[in-house]
Amino acid sequence: TQLLEQSPQFLSIQEGENLTVYCNSSSVFSSLQWYRQEPGEGPVLLVTVVTGGEVKKLKRLTFQFGDARKDSSLHITAAQPGDTGLYLCAAEGAGNRDDKIIFGKGTRLHILP
Amino acid sequence: EAQVTQNPRYLITVTGKKLTVTCSQNMNHEYMSWYRQDPGLGLRQIYYSMNVEVTDKGDVPEGYKVSRKEKRNFPLILESPSPNQTSLYFCASSFRLESEEQYFGPGTRLTVT
Repeated sequence: TQLLEQSPQFLSIQEGENLTVYCNSSSVFSSLQWYRQEPGEGPVLLVTVVTGGEVKKLKRLTFQFGDARKDSSLHITAAQPGDTGLYLCAAEGAGNRDDKIIFGKGTRLHILP
Repeated sequence: EAQVTQNPRYLITVTGKKLTVTCSQNMNHEYMSWYRQDPGLGLRQIYYSMNVEVTDKGDVPEGYKVSRKEKRNFPLILESPSPNQTSLYFCASSFRLESEEQYFGPGTRLTVT
């Protein structure tokens, strides 16, 4: 069974600090997505990474796919209260039938003003 | 505006009273899916549909039914709701594959007493 482990589960930091959250597995994935879910809303896609070692930037957010395509990280620079939310990673297994994906349980991030 | 809509947003009902949660998308997407989100368990897929008249079980299908008679609509039916189906439900759609960007609805919070 493929599993995605996200860490930490919860993170509360002051505005302006930097942080990194992780998405890890023992399985190899074809692609990996990061979603952000704000309170009272559905998840919204932030980025998709598909190549081992790939780095993508979205303003203050930096996403990296591990070289072996088994893990990913999300780094936020100078966190702002608007970054508060639940960050979910979702991955498509290599050789997976029907391109099924699995979701991690998420990291709940709270940025204190 | 491209969107996925769900109704109702909030519902409190009693055990055994049949209910339907509607889902509609205006993006001409082929793929649609239902998830439930529970604390500590993350997003779990209930049912999915790869096209009209094609539906399949996800990870937690027990107690639920779906239909896909039209491309834009994918209702979730609870024939005899039970308290363990109290949850936050999300409908999602993507162009063709689950591994592509999924657009999520705003969620339906269901309480079964």
